[in-house]
Amino acid sequence: AQKITQTQPGMFVQEKEAVTLDCTYDTSDPSYGLFWYKQPSSGEMIFLIYQGSYDQQNATEGRYSLNFQKARKSANLVISASQLGDSAMYFCAMRPRGTGRRALTFGSGTRLQVQP
Amino acid sequence: NAGVTQTPKFQVLKTGQSMTLQCAQDMNHEYMSWYRQDPGMGLRLIHYSVGAGITDQGEVPNGYNVSRSTTEDFPLRLLSAAPSQTSVYFCASSLTPTGSDYGYTFGSGTRLTVV
Repeated sequence: AQKITQTQPGMFVQEKEAVTLDCTYDTSDPSYGLFWYKQPSSGEMIFLIYQGSYDQQNATEGRYSLNFQKARKSANLVISASQLGDSAMYFCAMRPRGTGRRALTFGSGTRLQVQP
Repeated sequence: NAGVTQTPKFQVLKTGQSMTLQCAQDMNHEYMSWYRQDPGMGLRLIHYSVGAGITDQGEVPNGYNVSRSTTEDFPLRLLSAAPSQTSVYFCASSLTPTGSDYGYTFGSGTRLTVV
């Protein structure tokens, strides 16, 4: 079984500052993928970034980076230079890369509010 | 535009009614899945499919049926709606089952209310 824990129900950040959203996970699978999604108030799910468990380097996508610490089972999302449009819910998710149930397990999310 | 299309966007049902939520993708993705999102929670898997003719249950399958007759379509059927099925439903697809760098593409969601 897999479990994703996001311990920050809500976060505030000033515009142009960096913010870290926490995510820890638990799995017995040796190979897995970690995802972050953004859900704005309009409701759609927007894929942000992916990290494979065997990737040697932390993933980056523009202003998003994933601070992956495998031994600690954490996959924190770092948003640099926050913008007002970053205000949204953020979900961490994971799935095993082997055979079997091929689906994402989601955390409960963190609501980020960017203040001007 | 390529992507995942869900219909309807909003629906109100009476307890006991049945209905089908439609999901279609035009990206030739093999993997498709249905999730529900309840207030204050992440998404939970209902059913998924790894290709035409192949479906399997997810975490919360009771009260729902699926079929996958084509690569493009993956409808979700509510057999006898109950208030506990009030939720937002998302359909998602992926080029590969692992998602990897492409992630999973989500539809815009269907907001269902059962009264």
